[in-house]
Amino acid sequence: QVQLVQSGAEVKKPGASVKVSCKTSGYTFTSHYIHWVRQAPGQGLEWMGVINPSGGSATYSQKFQGRISMTRDTSTSTVYMELSSLISEDTAVYFCARAKGEQWPADAFDIWGQGTMVTASS
Amino acid sequence: DIQMTQSPSTLSASVGDRVTITCRASQSISSWLAWYQQKPGKAPKLLIYKASSLESGVPSRFSGSGSEIEFTLTISSLQPDDFATYYCQQYSDYFTFGQGTRLEIK
Repeated sequence: QVQLVQSGAEVKKPGASVKVSCKTSGYTFTSHYIHWVRQAPGQGLEWMGVINPSGGSATYSQKFQGRISMTRDTSTSTVYMELSSLISEDTAVYFCARAKGEQWPADAFDIWGQGTMVTASS
Repeated sequence: DIQMTQSPSTLSASVGDRVTITCRASQSISSWLAWYQQKPGKAPKLLIYKASSLESGVPSRFSGSGSEIEFTLTISSLQPDDFATYYCQQYSDYFTFGQGTRLEIK
């Protein structure tokens, strides 16, 4: 079945970087864009950016420009999200999610990873 | 940026009730709207896409309607499994979520 499986929880000090992975399976990796969404404790959902697994190009929310990077490894069907210069407000659960339609980023998110808790604390 | 505003923020209801959640966009988004259900400690689950299309496997008691700036999610007869938080999301211009509606047991 279609699955997105994310890496485990991370604890980082302020100023550090974190890299979260999202391994996909059960479908053609290059056919669907992958988005990243985060959720701070007790808060709502916030879109961070999207990557095209086919060509590797990414588009980021203005809020994270300059300190976010999304990459992919086609050999393992895995997408990565790296966030740098962490502050306490980056403490959140980070989700990867698949765009429903093929070859198109602007769609609903039909499959989600289980989430990765990232804690930024000294 | 397109803002999404949900109402109410919290809704108390009983099993068997018909409930409606509203989502309003700050500008027209045509029908590029999705609804998600999220339970504590879990990832969101897609219920409705393109404003009114039911995602495969989602019970038919869930329905969506609306276009342009005003949208609704209706649950025709609440079941115990439906008590959760619901989010709308626009995907007309980038991606924005509403603040969420917590559906609790009365």
